[in-house]
Amino acid sequence: SQWGEENLQALSIQEGEDVTMNCSYKTYTTVVHWYRQDSGRGPALIILIRSNEREKRSGRLRATLDTSSQSSSLSITAAQCEDTAVYFCATDRGGSNAKLTFGKGTKLSVKS
Amino acid sequence: NAGVIQTPRHKVTGKGQEATLWCEPISGHSAVFWYRQTIVQGLEFLTYFRNQAPIDDSGMPKERFSAQMPNQSHSTLKIQSTQPQDSAVYLCASSLGQSTEVFFGKGTRLTVV
Repeated sequence: SQWGEENLQALSIQEGEDVTMNCSYKTYTTVVHWYRQDSGRGPALIILIRSNEREKRSGRLRATLDTSSQSSSLSITAAQCEDTAVYFCATDRGGSNAKLTFGKGTKLSVKS
Repeated sequence: NAGVIQTPRHKVTGKGQEATLWCEPISGHSAVFWYRQTIVQGLEFLTYFRNQAPIDDSGMPKERFSAQMPNQSHSTLKIQSTQPQDSAVYLCASSLGQSTEVFFGKGTRLTVV
């Protein structure tokens, strides 16, 4: 999982496989943001889950949030080569987008 | 919509020189953010403006770093007397307001030699 003093993690999977990335956070948040960053580009928001949601889906993406354990996960179903990117979770303060705190990220490689 | 525009994309400065990084937020966005990204530290918040006013600069190093937003169409991040440890990708982002999506630029890669 990503957070704290952990380094960037790396995952390598085959096209068509499912993958789950985990994130645990330390400070109170009402929203967990999941971003992906492609090489040479800035992070882009892919899914956002609020504290009153346990699960959120968007296409092949599924995010979960467990506020009791302060953890979130992002799953990708039937990964494609174009899903290759670095994925970050981020928290904010009370639902404001100011001062996002990012995890260290998971570098996902999807091979054909 | 060209997104958040950052210039230059790459900048190399000598140790002790000044570096100025530019950001043009998405038109109509009232919030502008600066982040720094390194392999070791990851993505770190630096500072943020709302309606051109500085709101939170808690992530800015106290010395040598300053940010301004002289008008709604651009913001600058200035680093005086650059040091090798300032080498990083500096990311600017903007959003319409609180609790709305934050859009990042492609970043400026600063290398201090």
